[in-house]
Amino acid sequence: DAGITQSPRHKVTETGTPVTLRCHQTENHRYMYWYRQDPGHGLRLIHYSYGVKDTDKGEVSDGYSVSRSKTEDFLLTLESATSSQTSVYFCAIRKGGDAYGYTFGSGTRLTVV
Amino acid sequence: AQSVTQPDIHITVSEGASLELRCNYSYGATPYLFWYVQSPGQGLQLLLKYFSGDTLVQGIKGFEAEFKRSQSSFNLRKPSVHWSDAAEYFCAVGALGAAGNKLTFGGGTRVLVKP
Repeated sequence: DAGITQSPRHKVTETGTPVTLRCHQTENHRYMYWYRQDPGHGLRLIHYSYGVKDTDKGEVSDGYSVSRSKTEDFLLTLESATSSQTSVYFCAIRKGGDAYGYTFGSGTRLTVV
Repeated sequence: AQSVTQPDIHITVSEGASLELRCNYSYGATPYLFWYVQSPGQGLQLLLKYFSGDTLVQGIKGFEAEFKRSQSSFNLRKPSVHWSDAAEYFCAVGALGAAGNKLTFGGGTRVLVKP
């Protein structure tokens, strides 16, 4: 989607290795979110950020950490990947003052073997 | 805590026929409600949203949804389906004033369109 880029688009990694996914925006939006998508569960919130260095947990945050050192980048790290973290990961951005005007990225498909 | 249920995992519809996707939500106050569509390999695109006012909401691509508070439902409809409507559809609820304005999604309904 325009203004939001996720990288990599696809990744295969081994159990126990660390993995970092990147979300980059060019919109200068305040809010950024990481969701994971699994069949039958829709999208579930992992972590979100409401400003540089301001982050909070979502409903499925165990095993994940995030960092936001500058407005445009929101990193999601799997400290030690497990097979249960095989999923499609979506980043979303939202402008402050626009209560629910989310824009979603195209997703990162992560496979942990 | 809010929750969303989409009872139908898959729906198959013939091209030109009408489509209705069900969504039931649970939330203690007036919800913000959304429908998103996801084409294969793509992100989510907003179809429509309900915040307040008229309970029949018009969206993009000819879709509409009706908010029924008494039934805690927000069903999505389209009078005549096109082959390009084959996709997965997600209903979501947001809580007014919730920290971060987080969305809670249903499990999704995959729509298949027969020629």
